[in-house]
Amino acid sequence: EIVLTQSPGTLSLSPGERATLSCRASQSVSSSYLAWYQQKPGQAPRLLIYGASSRATGIPDRFSGSGSGTDFTLTISRLGPEDFAVYYCQQSGSSPPTWTFGQGTKVEIK
Amino acid sequence: QVRLQESGPGLVKPSETLSLTCAVSGNSINSGYYWGWIRQPPGKGLEWIGSIYHSGSTYYNPSLKSRVTISVDTSKNQFSLKLTSVTAADTAVYYCARGGGDYDDWGQGSLVTVSS
Repeated sequence: EIVLTQSPGTLSLSPGERATLSCRASQSVSSSYLAWYQQKPGQAPRLLIYGASSRATGIPDRFSGSGSGTDFTLTISRLGPEDFAVYYCQQSGSSPPTWTFGQGTKVEIK
Repeated sequence: QVRLQESGPGLVKPSETLSLTCAVSGNSINSGYYWGWIRQPPGKGLEWIGSIYHSGSTYYNPSLKSRVTISVDTSKNQFSLKLTSVTAADTAVYYCARGGGDYDDWGQGSLVTVSS
């Protein structure tokens, strides 16, 4: 079973700053099946990035994803006030299909 | 635009069975996606419960497999979750979602509390 570990647990930043979130897998993950989600209080998660680096429909280009193998990164180039939220990485495996989430990184206003 | 809506009891007694349904609109449940259930205990992270493929094949989180059943009703364009022998640890917001390798559309979530 693949375990995803996100760091840091909490990131305290000011609007306009750059946010770098890490997701490390316990074993190699196919880049095709690594995704990132944003969740705000009281709301369902929203898909931001799929395939490690492709933005989902309607996602601003200040969000970008990168990485391969066991190390993946979500970068928010300039934090807007609406970007303060919790972010989760997620991977899916095959044979049989399974889905695993990281424990989340909270991006809070400094 | 696909829409997913969870429904079911908000309160379940310990040792009983939790049952939820996800009604799908704007997309046929036979259209080749995985249809999944994900839960989130209060103040905690996301946990994948299981998924059903449009063919009817089911896949479950190994940690919950012995208690979970996911089924689909194509005539009503909906899929369902049953979780048996619930305890307080099963208290969570339960989401249904559509996807493939990732989940791109989610329901709003349904809070289920396990308490006597």
